Amino acid sequence: DTGVSQDPRHKITKRGQNVTFRCDPISEHNRLYWYRQTLGQGPEFLTYFQNEAQLEKSRLLSDRFSAERPKGSFSTLEIQRTEQGDSAMYLCASSLYSGAGNGYTFGSGTRLTVV
Amino acid sequence: DAKTTQPNSMESNEEEPVHLPCNHSTISGTDYIHWYRQLPSQGPEYVIHGLTSNVNNRMASLAIAEDRKSSTLILHRATLRDAAVYYCILNTGNQFYFGTGTSLTVIP
Repeated sequence: DTGVSQDPRHKITKRGQNVTFRCDPISEHNRLYWYRQTLGQGPEFLTYFQNEAQLEKSRLLSDRFSAERPKGSFSTLEIQRTEQGDSAMYLCASSLYSGAGNGYTFGSGTRLTVV
Repeated sequence: DAKTTQPNSMESNEEEPVHLPCNHSTISGTDYIHWYRQLPSQGPEYVIHGLTSNVNNRMASLAIAEDRKSSTLILHRATLRDAAVYYCILNTGNQFYFGTGTSLTVIP
C-alpha cells in the first residue's frame, strides 16, 4: 500500500484555464475527501464521497468546481475558468469509515498557482 | 468560525517535553479530537486522537479536559524532527474541522 497519491504535485495555469487533479485513495477506503489549504491557514473542507456518492459539499465549492469519484475508486477535482483566488494546495484524504473515531490518510497535495 | 483555537507558535528545546494546548469550547458529545502535524509541502500526518479519556501512543500523549472543552498534546521529548505545524481537529464523523495550527520550533 503506497498511501494516498495525488497527481500532479504542482500545476501552474493561466487565469481562465481549466485544470483537473486526480486522487488515488488507499484501496480499501470507502470515503474520500477533498480539502483546500491556503498559505498559513489550516485545510478547509470542500467535499467528500462515500464510495461513488458525493454526500456533502462545502459552500466553498462554487459552480466552477466539480468533483467525481466514478466506481468509488479514484477521484478527480476540476476547476473551470480558474481565478487567482483559486491558488492553493488541494489535499485529498481517504478513510475507512466506521464512525468519528476514524482518522484520515492525507496525500501530499497538489499545489495550484494561477497566474 | 474555527471550532478549535491554538497558539500560533511555540518553541521548545530539544529533548524537553512540549505541551501544545487547544481550546474547543463548542465540541459536541460525539465529536472526536484528532491531532495531526504537517511539514512544508506535505499533507497532514496523524499523531493521536481521543474522545474522553487520555490517550498514549508511541508518538505522543493526549490529555483531554473533563469537560472536553480543551485538550493538550504532549510530546515527551522533542526532537528536531518534531518541528512542524500541529493541528488540533474536531472530527464530527463527516469532516475534519481544522484550526490554524501551532507552528512548533525545536531549538537544538
